[in-house]
Amino acid sequence: DGGITQSPKYLFRKEGQNVTLSCEQNLNHDAMYWYRQDPGQGLRLIYYSQIVNDFQKGDIAEGYSVSREKKESFPLTVTSAQKNPTAFYLCASSEGAGNTEAFFGQGTRLTVV
Amino acid sequence: DQQVKQNSPSLSVQEGRISILNCDYTNSMFDYFLWYKKYPAEGPTFLISISSIKDKNEDGRFTVFLNKSAKHLSLHIVPSQPGDSAVYFCAASARNQGGKLIFGQGTELSVKP
Repeated sequence: DGGITQSPKYLFRKEGQNVTLSCEQNLNHDAMYWYRQDPGQGLRLIYYSQIVNDFQKGDIAEGYSVSREKKESFPLTVTSAQKNPTAFYLCASSEGAGNTEAFFGQGTRLTVV
Repeated sequence: DQQVKQNSPSLSVQEGRISILNCDYTNSMFDYFLWYKKYPAEGPTFLISISSIKDKNEDGRFTVFLNKSAKHLSLHIVPSQPGDSAVYFCAASARNQGGKLIFGQGTELSVKP
C-alpha cells in the first residue's frame, strides 16, 4: 500500500532533550515537507526538500534540523533550542515542487514536559 | 507575513445548502492553489486544486473559483452534508519559488442537520 507514514503518533519528551520524528514515504516522491500545526495558526512550514541531499528552511526553521539522505525518508529533529516544541507535526510529500498536490501523513503529537 | 489568509475561522451551514469558504493571497507569483480537508489529530486530505491559467475547477459537489485580479479563491460545496464538517485549508505554491506549499489558517465548517 503506497503512502506516507509518520511515527510515533504520540511522543513525550522532557524539556531540554532532542527528539527525532520519523517520516517515510513509498510513493517515489521527490519533494518532502515538514509542517507544524498550532491551534488557530494553520500549518506552518518548517523545512522542505525538493530532492535527495538537499533541503531548505521554511518559515519557522529555528530550533529544528532535518536530513534527506534517502529519497523515502525525511526525519525531523526537534532540538532543545526550539522554545515551544509542543505541537502537532505533519509530514507531506509530492511528486515534485509546484503544480502538484502534497499527500500528508497522520501526524505526530509531540508533548514536551 | 501571512501570504495566504483565511479570514473566517468558522462557518456554520444548514445541511443541503451551499457552503462557501474564502481565501485571499498576497504573492502574485503563486500559480497553483489547493484545498484540503482536515479532521482533528489527522493529516489533511487533498480535495481539489486549480492552476492559475483557469478560473474554475469542478469535482462533484466541490467547485473552486479563482479570481487572479483580486487574489482571491473560494471553495463551494453544494449540497453541504454533515460529513463535510471539518477544518478546510487553502494552500498555494509558486513553481519559480521552489514550489513549497503555503497554507492559510483554516476555516472550521460545521454543517448542521
